[in-house]
Amino acid sequence: QKEVEQNSGPLSVPEGAIASLNCTYSDRGSQSFFWYRQYSGKSPELIMFIYSNGDKEDGRFTAQLNKASQYVSLLIRDSQPSDSATYLCAVATGRRALTFGSGTRLQVQP
Amino acid sequence: ETGVTQSPTHLIKTRGQQVTLRCSSQSGHNTVSWYQQALGQGPQFIFQYYREEENGRGNFPPRFSGLQFPNYSSELNVNALELDDSALYLCASSLTENTEAFFGQGTRLTVV
Repeated sequence: QKEVEQNSGPLSVPEGAIASLNCTYSDRGSQSFFWYRQYSGKSPELIMFIYSNGDKEDGRFTAQLNKASQYVSLLIRDSQPSDSATYLCAVATGRRALTFGSGTRLQVQP
Repeated sequence: ETGVTQSPTHLIKTRGQQVTLRCSSQSGHNTVSWYQQALGQGPQFIFQYYREEENGRGNFPPRFSGLQFPNYSSELNVNALELDDSALYLCASSLTENTEAFFGQGTRLTVV
């Protein structure tokens, strides 16, 4: 079992819709959770982080964390073609560096 | 812009050669992590430095080594390059080991 799992996609949504990206993790001791966006050929860019159970909103982005289910998600409201990218979920456990999933490719159709 | 800079941006090396990649961390950050990202995969953790000491290492062979300097900049050295070492090498700086990490633009290494 991979430590951090994501559906590779592609997830295709129409412009203006809500995109829902999901991530599960295996280590119950994980404490911090991050979402990165990566455009093709570029490096990952941090868009959200969440430490506590529940929702955290930042503009069009909402991160949701459920530690009991070992599940973290990212919602993108009013999706735009510029949101088309690969979204990486990353998890921090203890004092170890971040562990990344393999990413979900999102395509927003105009 | 994250304030993390890497050099060079692209590099072509021959199998068996050695390579050194460099990273300058964001101001105020004393932790630097290196990742390898193969095409279509997520970043894989190589190692991490905190205040000039290696404090974590992923599943990479000893020919991958590193260094962190007093100004918290860092180097990644790879000896005896193999074709499978071709990847995007990412440097990330953070305040501590498990807080949000900010990436440089990466170094694209091609081994032929």
